[in-house]
Amino acid sequence: DSGVTQTPKHLITATGQRVTLRCSPRSGDLSVYWYQQSLDQGLQFLIQYYNGEERAKGNILERFSAQQFPDLHSELNLSSLELGDSALYFCASSPRGGGEEAFFGQGTRLTVV
Amino acid sequence: AQKITQTQPGMFVQEKEAVTLDCTYDTSDPSYGLFWYKQPSSGEMIFLIYQGSYDQQNATEGRYSLNFQKARKSANLVISASQLGDSAMYFCAMREGPGSQGNLIFGKGTKLSVKP
Repeated sequence: DSGVTQTPKHLITATGQRVTLRCSPRSGDLSVYWYQQSLDQGLQFLIQYYNGEERAKGNILERFSAQQFPDLHSELNLSSLELGDSALYFCASSPRGGGEEAFFGQGTRLTVV
Repeated sequence: AQKITQTQPGMFVQEKEAVTLDCTYDTSDPSYGLFWYKQPSSGEMIFLIYQGSYDQQNATEGRYSLNFQKARKSANLVISASQLGDSAMYFCAMREGPGSQGNLIFGKGTKLSVKP
């Protein structure tokens, strides 16, 4: 158990809908990263939050947004969903913004039908 | 240009034998970290081992060791005494130094199959 908790584990939704994925980082970790894993793109970095502030953006679509709350949990919001958004979404956390630790949650498997 | 290259899409190894999974990386940052993750069919990403660019010795964690050759920019994972439960996808990843975003950059992975 990595200590990073993601909910839900599975999500099936229709095109055009909006979903929210939740992540609780390891105790004491201030930094949260979101990644998307799809068959064609592999594992790609989406966005990073550090202690409530957005720190870095990767290949995140404008339809996607995220936030980190005062209790350090984070949510990834995906809207106007398309079939191509079907993927495994991972959250990872680390104590700060770098270093030698990067533990992943179990992921949320999103299927858009 | 790809920052992390894993040239072996798939590998087979006999149970109890050792196997090496290749990873080369590309960075101009003198400070970086290299990670290996295991992803079984269930989907979770399991951290295996970490090597810092300034570490003098190769990292080891149980049956996993990292063959770090800095001049060649390679960070191969060696799994000793393979077990059936080692069958999974393996990803090499890099985190660049303090000036970077701190996120991980992943390779495309190697699918390891352990034969009984």
